[in-house]
Amino acid sequence: EDQVTQSPEALRLQEGESSSLNCSYTVSGLRGLFWYRQDPGKGPEFLFTLYSAGEEKEKERLKATLTKKESFLHITAPKPEDSATYLCAVQAVDNFNKFYFGSGTKLNVKP
Amino acid sequence: DTAVSQTPKYLVTQMGNDKSIKCEQNLGHDTMYWYKQDSKKFLKIMFSYNNKELIINETVPNRFSPKSPDKAHLNLHINSLELGDSAVYFCASSQDPGTSGLHNEQFFGPGTRLTVL
Repeated sequence: EDQVTQSPEALRLQEGESSSLNCSYTVSGLRGLFWYRQDPGKGPEFLFTLYSAGEEKEKERLKATLTKKESFLHITAPKPEDSATYLCAVQAVDNFNKFYFGSGTKLNVKP
Repeated sequence: DTAVSQTPKYLVTQMGNDKSIKCEQNLGHDTMYWYKQDSKKFLKIMFSYNNKELIINETVPNRFSPKSPDKAHLNLHINSLELGDSAVYFCASSQDPGTSGLHNEQFFGPGTRLTVL
């Protein structure tokens, strides 16, 4: 069965302390892996899409990487405004209209 | 210039009532979705429509009935509300990858927080 597991559930960092979030997935043929950011009381906001192992995407302090079994979201020198829940989702080649989401990592960056 | 909008933002109602949530997207996307997010932040897909046609219908009680009058709108009607229906409901849309190539990331609305008392 297709599924997505994110770890850790919660992460507390000091401002400037770099770290990584993990998204492990099992899918019958990966079409795409998506990262979203969700702020409290708001809908998920799209960050990145990765399509093949070895691919990397960057945006400001965030960098997403992909292997055949997992994806990492690296956060370099985070700031308090990076605090949010980060969600990972996968999409299978045989059903591109269905997205499987993980339960997210809640990141708290303290000044 | 909101991309995906939902109304209402908050909905508080009694058990047994019937309620509707509306969603509209102005992105020109072909596919729209309803998700339920529980208290643990887990987003679970409920329904998906592509050009007004139902293409995904997960294991959802038949008290939930989606309706898509056109490809820019997807509404969710819930009959006989139960306590367990309390959650945040998100609408989303995406482009059909057949017309846009690879890119069909989803864009989400702001959510509707439903509380059943």
